Amino acid sequence: GAVVSQHPSWVICKSGTSVKIECRSLDFQATTMFWYRQFPKQSLMLMATSNEGSKATYEQGVEKDKFLINHASLTLSTLTVTSAHPEDSSFYICSARVTGRDYGYTFGSGTRLTVV
Amino acid sequence: QKEVEQDPGPLSVPEGAIVSLNCTYSNSAFQYFMWYRQYSRKGPELLMYTYSSGNKEDGRFTAQVDKSSKYISLFIRDSQPSDSATYLCAMSVPTGNQFYFGTGTSLTVIP
Repeated sequence: GAVVSQHPSWVICKSGTSVKIECRSLDFQATTMFWYRQFPKQSLMLMATSNEGSKATYEQGVEKDKFLINHASLTLSTLTVTSAHPEDSSFYICSARVTGRDYGYTFGSGTRLTVV
Repeated sequence: QKEVEQDPGPLSVPEGAIVSLNCTYSNSAFQYFMWYRQYSRKGPELLMYTYSSGNKEDGRFTAQVDKSSKYISLFIRDSQPSDSATYLCAMSVPTGNQFYFGTGTSLTVIP
């Protein structure tokens, strides 16, 4: 149980286009989801925290107009990379806390974004 | 200074060896300590978590926390080729949701 399904697993897009990444909690309700970014051989960096029904909280240095986060339901959060550029190429991972499990944060399988 | 420091490796060991992975940290307020395993092109999966100091064992895996030294370890006994992955340490304070991750240590277990 406690699965977060993330799609797509990889995507290639042209510079200037937008890409949407979805994360769904399959068998639990995720009031809060977290979006991370991971560069090769580097740590996961928290980008933003999304709460169902309210605006996301962005970490310092993360452009909220570029990385649009929507958490419209208890089972779905989306990250849209707008006007993507090659420097946005990275591995994006979502995470959600599983209520009732001590520190049971579960991660999605990640999305490899390549902007050409 | 980074919140969490972790030797990125890579670390290569023969099958059956005991593996020791370590992280140091600077924030004495951290109380929750986690180890995640991440296979290539996949999201991290939780291996173990520990609250405050002490040891925790789960099968071939043992997690240790030494808060006085701000040092945590993950030991893998009888390592298997399937253990080949990147291991990330993570920690957080009790009141927050944010995790602070190490850079991850790449481990290869050679058959």
